[in-house]
Amino acid sequence: EPEVTQTPSHQVTQMGQEVILRCVPISNHLYFYWYRQILGQKVEFLVSFYNNEISEKSEIFDDQFSVERPDGSNFTLKIRSTKLEDSAMYFCASSRDSGGIGNQPQHFGDGTRLSIL
Amino acid sequence: DQQVKQNSPSLSVQEGRISILNCDYTNSMFDYFLWYKKYPAEGPTFLISISSIKDKNEDGRFTVFLNKSAKHLSLHIVPSQPGDSAVYFCAAINNAGNMLTFGGGTRLMVKP
Repeated sequence: EPEVTQTPSHQVTQMGQEVILRCVPISNHLYFYWYRQILGQKVEFLVSFYNNEISEKSEIFDDQFSVERPDGSNFTLKIRSTKLEDSAMYFCASSRDSGGIGNQPQHFGDGTRLSIL
Repeated sequence: DQQVKQNSPSLSVQEGRISILNCDYTNSMFDYFLWYKKYPAEGPTFLISISSIKDKNEDGRFTVFLNKSAKHLSLHIVPSQPGDSAVYFCAAINNAGNMLTFGGGTRLMVKP
């Protein structure tokens, strides 16, 4: 069964450094997402991406975050200047279509654990 | 933000019995609901979903019930198996967007 893959599984970065988290969505999916889960908290939506542009973003997704689909297979999340509070599990997801009645569910990768020192 | 709430952080059930996981929501714009299962060190895995035009959806051992007037949904697993032990997340989405709003999760333990 096709799956979403994320690399690396664990990333340790010094505060203030830039970090890029990588994802390979399921190949025939058109919508891509990033979520994060801070330890002990809920899974939170960051951003959705469709047709090479952001379709929706949360308040968390501020100017230090950016997303890109640099080629036909990868989807990346960049954090420009990391802060201690960015430490979390970051999940990539993809779906064949968007939300709404009868839609296809979002399928998640296993996540990248980001630790900011 | 408590738009989706799972009030039971944990649930313990004997193998072979029914597991019932509950979820409440406050946003009446939600029209599609999903349950995900999560094992440690893995991402959430889609389990079953229901749209707001239905009140029940069944897939093998898993059934989701939706009570729109009460803004409540539940996941029934019967019979429960030890391999079902995981954290279960309820999530909701509205037709105007594509962001999932998650509940806090319920850890299910199925004892042999």
